[in-house]
Amino acid sequence: GENVEQHPSTLSVQEGDSAVIKCTYSDSASNYFPWYKQELGKRPQLIIDIRSNVGEKKDQRIAVTLNKTAKHFSLHITETQPEDSAVYFCAALNSNSGYALNFGKGTSLLVTP
Amino acid sequence: DAGVIQSPRHEVTEMGQEVTLRCKPISGHDYLFWYRQTMMRGLELLIYFNNNVPIDDSGMPEDRFSAKMPNASFSTLKIQPSEPRDSAVYFCASSLVPGQGIYEQYFGPGTRLTVT
Repeated sequence: GENVEQHPSTLSVQEGDSAVIKCTYSDSASNYFPWYKQELGKRPQLIIDIRSNVGEKKDQRIAVTLNKTAKHFSLHITETQPEDSAVYFCAALNSNSGYALNFGKGTSLLVTP
Repeated sequence: DAGVIQSPRHEVTEMGQEVTLRCKPISGHDYLFWYRQTMMRGLELLIYFNNNVPIDDSGMPEDRFSAKMPNASFSTLKIQPSEPRDSAVYFCASSLVPGQGIYEQYFGPGTRLTVT
C-alpha cells in the first residue's frame, strides 16, 4: 500500500520567516495530495491540495509543489505568523485504488514572535 | 450546514467496558471515514463507507472493533471490550463524491477516549 513519509517532525521558525515541510510517497499512481492543518485540540482542516497534473499551486502565503518523478511534494509557508503554529499533515491518494487518504506522521510547526 | 457531528466529545471508561462512538456526516456526502489519532501512530484510517457500505476495513485493529452505517446520516464505531491501548482521539470524516474528483474530507471535532 501507499507509504507517506513526512519531514521534519518538528519545526521552529521566527515570525516572518518561511517554513518548508516535505513529504515523499511510494505509490507512483497517486494523483491527489492534500495538506491539513490541525490546531491544538481541534480537527484537521484542509488548507491546500494539488493534483498530479499540476506542478505547483499557491494560495496567498501558502504554496505546494509536486515532483512526480521524485515522488515528493512540499508545503511552503511564507511570512509566517504565530497563528500558523499547528501540526501539519500531508497525505496522498490514488483514486484508482479507492478514496482512503494515506497521511504522513505530521509536522509540529512553532512560529515564535 | 453544521458540519460533521460526533458524540460524545469525551468518553472515559474502564477497561473491559463497551464503548460506542457516533457520527453524523454532512448531508449529501456519500463517503464516511473513521480515523484514530495517537501521538505514536499519527492519523490512522480504520474503515470507510460508501453509500452505507463498508469499502475498506483493513485498518480495523482487531475483532474488538466494529463499525456500522445503518443509514446515510449515522454511523457508529464500537469497541468491545475496551482496553487502555485504545485510548486515542477518534475522528469521523465525510466527503462528497470522490468519484467526481472531489476528494476533500471534512473532519468532525473528534471523540477523546480514555480507557482506564
